[in-house]
Amino acid sequence: SQKIEQNSEALNIQEGKTATLTCNYTNYSPAYLQWYRQDPGRGPVFLLLIRENEKEKRKERLKVTFDTTLKQSLFHITASQPADSATYLCALVSLSGGGADGLTFGKGTHLIIQP
Amino acid sequence: EAGVTQSPTHLIKTRGQQATLRCSPISGHTSVYWYQQALGLGLQFLLWYDEGEERNRGNFPPRFSGRQFPNYSSELNVNALELEDSALYLCASSLANVGYNEQFFGPGTRLTVL
Repeated sequence: SQKIEQNSEALNIQEGKTATLTCNYTNYSPAYLQWYRQDPGRGPVFLLLIRENEKEKRKERLKVTFDTTLKQSLFHITASQPADSATYLCALVSLSGGGADGLTFGKGTHLIIQP
Repeated sequence: EAGVTQSPTHLIKTRGQQATLRCSPISGHTSVYWYQQALGLGLQFLLWYDEGEERNRGNFPPRFSGRQFPNYSSELNVNALELEDSALYLCASSLANVGYNEQFFGPGTRLTVL
C-alpha cells in the first residue's frame, strides 16, 4: 500500500544548527512534492514545491532535495531559530488521467529549536 | 487579500446528529479541498471540488459529503456523526488544480462529537 513516512518523534536541534527532516515514500510515483509548516491549532502553510525532475530547491534558509531513486525528500533549515519550531509536513502529488489526485500528506515531524 | 475563512471555529454535536462546516476560498481560487486532521492520524484528504463539481474524494464513507457553490465557497456535511469524527477539519483553496499549485489553508473547524 502507499505510504509516506516522516520522523514520528520530535526532532530537537540547537539554535544556529541545520535541521534536517526526512520524508520517505513507498508505492508512489509523485510528480511533485511539497513541504508545509503547521503551528498548533492552525492550518498548514506552504513552504516549498519541488518537481520530480528537480534535484534541489532553495528559498532563503530552506532547502529541499528530491531523490526519486531513493524515494526520499530531505528538508533542511539552516541557521535554525526558535521561531522555526513547528510541525513540518511533506505532501505528495500524483498525476493520473487528466489531472492531479490531490495532496497526500505525511503525519509530519515536530521540530523543536532549543535556544 | 483575505485568506481562506472557515466557520464555525468550534462545533459541538452529539452522536447521530449532522454537522455542516463552511469554507470561503481566496478570491480567484476555484479549487477547494477538505481534510480531516484527527489526533495522531495526520491530514487525511476528504474531498476536492473544482468549478462546482466534485473531482475526487478520499477513503471516507458516503455520510461525508459536500458541495461547492457558484461563488466557489464550499460546504462539508457530515451525517450520522460518530465519536471518531471528532477532529480538526481543514479547508484549503488553490488556483485551478493543475497539480502543482500550492494550497492555502484556513484555520479549521474543531468538531467535537459527544
